[in-house]
Formats: sequence, structure tokens, C-alpha cells
Amino acid sequence: QKEVEQNSGPLSVPEGAIASLNCTYSDRGSQSFFWYRQYSGKSPELIMFIYSNGDKEDGRFTAQLNKASQYVSLLIRDSQPSDSATYLCAGGKTSGSRLTFGEGTQLTVNP
Amino acid sequence: NAGVTQTPKFQVLKTGQSMTLQCAQDMNHNSMYWYRQDPGMGLRLIYYSASEGTTDKGEVPNGYNVSRLNKREFSLRLESAAPSQTSVYFCASSPGGGNQPQHFGDGTRLSIL
Repeated sequence: QKEVEQNSGPLSVPEGAIASLNCTYSDRGSQSFFWYRQYSGKSPELIMFIYSNGDKEDGRFTAQLNKASQYVSLLIRDSQPSDSATYLCAGGKTSGSRLTFGEGTQLTVNP
Repeated sequence: NAGVTQTPKFQVLKTGQSMTLQCAQDMNHNSMYWYRQDPGMGLRLIYYSASEGTTDKGEVPNGYNVSRLNKREFSLRLESAAPSQTSVYFCASSPGGGNQPQHFGDGTRLSIL
């Protein structure tokens, strides 16, 4: 089992819809979670991080963490074509120095 | 504000040649990382340096060496390049610890013929 798994995608949503990106993790010691956006041919860019159970909102983005279910999600409201990218989920431990990345989910927002 | 700077941006090598990828950060971060990214494989950690003076292997260290030259700079060396090392290489840095986000450079696109 991979330490961090993401829904395989690709995911396609119409403009204005809510895009839901999901991630599960196997190591209960993971405490911090990060969402990165990566446009084709570009480097990963941090868009959200979450440390506590519950929801964290930043503009159109909401990260959700459920430690009991070992589940992290990213919701993108009012999706725009400019949101079309690959989204990477990563988890880390306070005691460690590394992040473990999922393989990413490719999102396409259709005008 | 430069952040993480990688050089070169593109490189073509012949099998057996050697080269060093350079990475420098200006954010006073303690930790630095080298990843490779292949289609459908996500980011795979090659080596990392948790702090100045230390380096550790990641998931795929074979065929690579690293040097943490100082707090700012972390280089990745391919001693004898192989076609399997054709990839996009990303350097990243973070303040330190697994609860801190990593910030990525623009990447080096490396082709080995």
C-alpha cells in the first residue's frame, strides 16, 4: 500500500462546479498535509496546508482533514478553466524532515 | 524574491557523461531536497539534507550523489549518466521538519541519450 494515495483521475468538471480531490494516507503518524498545484511543464506550487481535523478555507479552496479516517480532501468551488492542473497531496510528520507525495490527480475544468 | 533557483534549466547528455545540477535558496531554510518526476510516477525523493552538514538517501538514490555546500546550496551529481535518468529534476527547500511546506524551484529538464 502506498503511503499517500490519491484518486487516480483524470477528473473533469464543468466550469462553475465544485471539484473534489481526495487523498488517503496509511501512516497514522502523519500530522501535516499539503496540497500542491502543478501546471503542465511547471513546478509544484503550494496552495493549502492543514494540520488539524476539520475544514480550512482559503478563498475558493477548502481543505478537509479527517485523521480518524486517514483522509484528506481539497474542494475547489466555482471551478475555473485556470484551475486545470495536476494536484498533489503530501503528508509529513513533525518528527521527520520529509514529505510523502501522492502521484497526483489531473483536473480539467471545461468551459 | 528568487526563492529556489536551479541551474541549468535544460540539459542534454550522452550516456556515461557526468554533470552537476545546482540549487540555491535565499529563504534561510534549513532543509533541502532533490526529487525527480517521471510521467505517471509523481515526485520521487532522491536525496535530502535536513540541515547544513547532513545528507540522507531518499527513495531512489542509486546513481546520484549530493553535496550540501552551505546552508544556501545543495547540488546533485550524476557521475555516469544513464538513459533511465532522463527526467525532470526538482529542488525544494523548507524551514525544516515534516510539518513545514516545501518550496520548489522551476526544475531541470534532463535528457540522456
